[in-house]
Amino acid sequence: DAGVIQSPRHEVTEMGQEVTLRCKLISGHNSLFWYRQTMMRGLELLIYFNNNVPIDDSGMPEDRFSAKMPNASFSTLKIQPSEPRDSAVYFCASSANREAEAFFGQGTRLTVV
Amino acid sequence: DQQVKQNSPSLSVQEGRISILNCDYTNSMFDYFLWYKKYPAEGPTFLISISSIKDKNEDGRFTVFLNKSAKHLSLHIVPSQPGDSAVYFCAASGTRGGADGLTFGKGTHLIIQP
Repeated sequence: DAGVIQSPRHEVTEMGQEVTLRCKLISGHNSLFWYRQTMMRGLELLIYFNNNVPIDDSGMPEDRFSAKMPNASFSTLKIQPSEPRDSAVYFCASSANREAEAFFGQGTRLTVV
Repeated sequence: DQQVKQNSPSLSVQEGRISILNCDYTNSMFDYFLWYKKYPAEGPTFLISISSIKDKNEDGRFTVFLNKSAKHLSLHIVPSQPGDSAVYFCAASGTRGGADGLTFGKGTHLIIQP
């Protein structure tokens, strides 16, 4: 298995533009997590899904952020409009069941200028 | 307010010696703890975990100790090898395995010196 796959690896965009980050889960996994890493706050959980259903989005910073799971193997995190303070590394992770550790993708480094 | 704290941003250890990384937590609802290792430009990789019903878990060179009364856990690596140089994150969950998401510390950068 290729593991959790995120795209793009790097994204540079102008303030005000829409940004979409993508994540493909490991086959057979049914939980999906989006994390954000910044120098100031470290790794923070933004939202997680279980069986395609959003369970907890309390970590999503603002209404500008939204996440979807259109099917069991794929998720998107959208920021509209983007702002410079959204610059961070965004990680997607998946797990197989309630007793498994989460496996992380390689992350998307987002820079908003 | 940080619920998981790693108070040492960096740690330097000589190759072959023991590395001890520490982690403290404040939320008594946490009952499952994990350590992740991260190399630059890669995602965190799971290393070892421990349930709150145990006080020790060992996997090869890696051992995690949990002191629930002190809300403290530590990761021991012995002997330390150059490939162990990385950032180590302590993480905690209210359910086994992090099914409800993980709360991370800010990490400790471990440097193994030859």
